[in-house]
Amino acid sequence: EIVLTQSPGTLSLSPGERATLSCRASQSVSSDYFAWYQQKPGQAPRLVMYGASIRATGIPDRFSGSGSGTDFTLTISGLEPEDFAVYYCQQYGSSPRTFGQGTKVEV
Amino acid sequence: QVQLQESGPGLVRPSETLALTCNVSGGSISNYYWNWIRQPAGKGLEWIGHIYPSGSTNYNPSLKSRVTMSVDTSKNQFSLKLSSVTAADTAVYYCARGRDSYSRFVYWGQGTLVTVSS
Repeated sequence: EIVLTQSPGTLSLSPGERATLSCRASQSVSSDYFAWYQQKPGQAPRLVMYGASIRATGIPDRFSGSGSGTDFTLTISGLEPEDFAVYYCQQYGSSPRTFGQGTKVEV
Repeated sequence: QVQLQESGPGLVRPSETLALTCNVSGGSISNYYWNWIRQPAGKGLEWIGHIYPSGSTNYNPSLKSRVTMSVDTSKNQFSLKLSSVTAADTAVYYCARGRDSYSRFVYWGQGTLVTVSS
């Protein structure tokens, strides 16, 4: 099983600031099968990024993703109020599909 | 627009079987992979497994001995059964659609809370 470790656990930032979220895999993951999700309280996760760097439908271009192998990054340039949430990374290229433990982006 | 809706008992007794159904609307259940994912309160996401309408399944090894998934194409819905539940199975259970076996999850249900308690 591929273990995904996200850092930091919590990111305390202000609107307008840049957020950099990291996800490290216990073994190499194909970037084709790597995603990020955003989850707000009481809601289902929402796909933000897939293929490591492809924005999902409706995701603004202040979101960007990068990485390969075992290290992946989600960057939010210029945080908007609606961006404060928990973000999960996921690999879906091997079984079982696994998620990171989440990074909370808070004000 | 594809919509998924989970349903089932919100309370299950320890050692009994949890049973949930996900109803799919706005699209056919055919030709997609249908997933179950759960999330204990305040914790992360755990993939339970998926099923294809042909009946082919892939379960998380951590739950495989207790999980059964099925599909009813006539009703456009699929189901999850988790046997011998304990308090550790208390979670919000989500259903989600995958375009293929190795797919991101674009469409999710809203989730349903299942509590295991006597």
